[in-house]
Amino acid sequence: NAGVTQTPKFQVLKTGQSMTLQCAQDMNHEYMSWYRQDPGMGLRLIHYSVGAGITDQGEVPNGYNVSRSTTEDFPLRLLSAAPSQTSVYFCASSYSGASTDTQYFGPGTRLTVL
Amino acid sequence: DQQVKQNSPSLSVQEGRISILNCDYTNSMFDYFLWYKKYPAEGPTFLISISSIKDKNEDGRFTVFLNKSAKHLSLHIVPSQPGDSAVYFCAACSWGSARQLTFGSGTQLTVLP
Repeated sequence: NAGVTQTPKFQVLKTGQSMTLQCAQDMNHEYMSWYRQDPGMGLRLIHYSVGAGITDQGEVPNGYNVSRSTTEDFPLRLLSAAPSQTSVYFCASSYSGASTDTQYFGPGTRLTVL
Repeated sequence: DQQVKQNSPSLSVQEGRISILNCDYTNSMFDYFLWYKKYPAEGPTFLISISSIKDKNEDGRFTVFLNKSAKHLSLHIVPSQPGDSAVYFCAACSWGSARQLTFGSGTQLTVLP
C-alpha cells in the first residue's frame, strides 16, 4: 500500500491564481480530511469528508473548496490564492472517522503564495 | 484562542533519560486525546492515545498521563533514543468527533547522543 499520497510536494503561486492539491489513499478509508499547518501553530482542519459525495467544513474553510467523487481521492481547490494561504497542507484518512480510528497523514504540500 | 496548548516549543534530553512533553487544554468537551510524532518533510504519525475514562495508557517506551481536573496531559518517553528526535503534537477531540481534531502547536524534542 502507498498509504496517503499528496501532489505536488512544493508549489509557488501568484496572488489570484488557482490550483488543486491532490490527495489519494489506497486503504479504502471512508474518512478523509485536509489540514493546514502554519509556523507556531498546530494543524487546523480545513474540510473533511465521511464518504464519497459527502463533505463538510472544518475550522478554517474560507478560500478552499473540496469534492469527493470517489473513495480514493479528495482534492483541495484554491480558487483565488492569497498570501495568507501560504502554508503546509496535509491530507489525512482513517477507516471511519471515529475517534479511535488512527488517522494516516500524507507527506504534505508546501505552498507559497506570492 | 488556542484550546490545546503546548507551551514548550522545544526540549532537549540526553539519550537514555526520560523525556516529558506537556499539553494543556481548555475545552471541557474534549474526552479523547492523542499524540502524534512528525519528522521533517513527513506527515504526522500516530503515537499513542488516551480516553478520558483512563488516567494512564502505556505502549512500550511511551506512556501518556491524563489529569482531567487540571486539564493536563503529558507524554513520557523512557528511555529516550536519538530516533525519537521529532516534533510531537498533542491533539484532542470529543468522542465520536475525530473529524474535529484540535492540535497543539507542537514541541520539538531533541535527544542528544
